[in-house]
Amino acid sequence: AQSVTQPDIHITVSEGASLELRCNYSYGATPYLFWYVQSPGQGLQLLLKYFSGDTLVQGIKGFEAEFKRSQSSFNLRKPSVHWSDAAEYFCAVKLAGGTSYGKLTFGQGTILTVHP
Amino acid sequence: NAGVTQTPKFRVLKTGQSMTLLCAQDMNHEYMYWYRQDPGMGLRLIHYSVGEGTTAKGEVPDGYNVSRLKKQNFLLGLESAAPSQTSVYFCASSTRGTVSYEQYFGPGTRLTVT
Repeated sequence: AQSVTQPDIHITVSEGASLELRCNYSYGATPYLFWYVQSPGQGLQLLLKYFSGDTLVQGIKGFEAEFKRSQSSFNLRKPSVHWSDAAEYFCAVKLAGGTSYGKLTFGQGTILTVHP
Repeated sequence: NAGVTQTPKFRVLKTGQSMTLLCAQDMNHEYMYWYRQDPGMGLRLIHYSVGEGTTAKGEVPDGYNVSRLKKQNFLLGLESAAPSQTSVYFCASSTRGTVSYEQYFGPGTRLTVT
């Protein structure tokens, strides 16, 4: 069965510093990959997604992610973090093909704290 | 458009009580999902539906039932609540197709079972 691992439970960065959140997946085929963000008390919002093509994808709020097939990774990056980026971030994968019915498998989440 | 809405936002139950969580979407999506979120475990799929009148089990279905009598609504029921069902519940929906697999999430329902 597929699995998603986010090795870092909690990350703290200073405002203006760069950020990289790690995501690794275990899968027999190339999955579809997503990053979601959850602000405190809110639902999940899609930051970006990768289906195919260019392995560097741009998302909302200045985030980007790079798919590396050889490392089974889909790490999220931002060059300069803002205090409003403090939230919990989830990596998710989906089976390619119609029989999965769009079901997502989520990582455990990474909580981002931003210091002023 | 309201997107995905969930009712109620908060609920406290005693062990053994029952309740129903309502999810509604106005995007005409075919697929709908119920997840639970627990600290350190991400979101886990409880049940899902691929269309009106159809439901299927997800990763953690025990203790829950669902129904989708109308395309826009997906109900999650707890017949006899247990403390282990204390969690935040999220509903999501997505379109059917070969291109877009984005799921749209509701704001969540925080359930406490005492």
